[in-house]
Amino acid sequence: GENVEQHPSTLSVQEGDSAVIKCTYSDSASNYFPWYKQELGKRPQLIIDIRSNVGEKKDQRIAVTLNKTAKHFSLHITETQPEDSAVYFCAASMTGGYNKLIFGAGTRLAVHP
Amino acid sequence: ETGVTQTPRHLVMGMTNKKSLKCEQHLGHNAMYWYKQSAKKPLELMFVYNFKEQTENNSVPSRFSPECPNSSHLFLHLHTLQPEDSALYLCASSQDSGDEQFFGPGTRLTVL
Repeated sequence: GENVEQHPSTLSVQEGDSAVIKCTYSDSASNYFPWYKQELGKRPQLIIDIRSNVGEKKDQRIAVTLNKTAKHFSLHITETQPEDSAVYFCAASMTGGYNKLIFGAGTRLAVHP
Repeated sequence: ETGVTQTPRHLVMGMTNKKSLKCEQHLGHNAMYWYKQSAKKPLELMFVYNFKEQTENNSVPSRFSPECPNSSHLFLHLHTLQPEDSALYLCASSQDSGDEQFFGPGTRLTVL
């Protein structure tokens, strides 16, 4: 079955810096890669996702890149702000009918003013 | 209320108790999911229901028993739990052919 590894487990940056979180997956059949943000005491929320037919996707300060050959994908946050502080989870799945997401262990991002 | 709701938000139970967690989605989705979130561990998929039919059981112990009476409601019946079952239990839903899963706020379960 699918296995997703996520690094680093914690990340501390200064406000305005960039942050990068990396994930690798094992199942080459996976075709959908979402990123969720979970603020303290709140539910996970989707912030961006990418499908296997796309190499990069951007939404304002957030971007995701996918390397299918190497089976890894990354989240890039530019111009970080204190409100970006949260736990970020990557996931991988093979869609169709329903979505069996396998999550990474999460990265706790702290953005210091 | 819109989105995905869960009740109760907090639950403390003894190992011999029987309790149930409830999840309701108001999004018209056809797939619903139970996840377990423990400290320092990945979100673990427990069960998936698609059009009320269970399609995934991720080797979950029988002391957890799911029920999906219709596409909008999902229950997790708990019986004879262990302290290591203490965790945040999250419900989610998605369209049958869609990708994004919408999560509920979770039930914080403590087993004494």
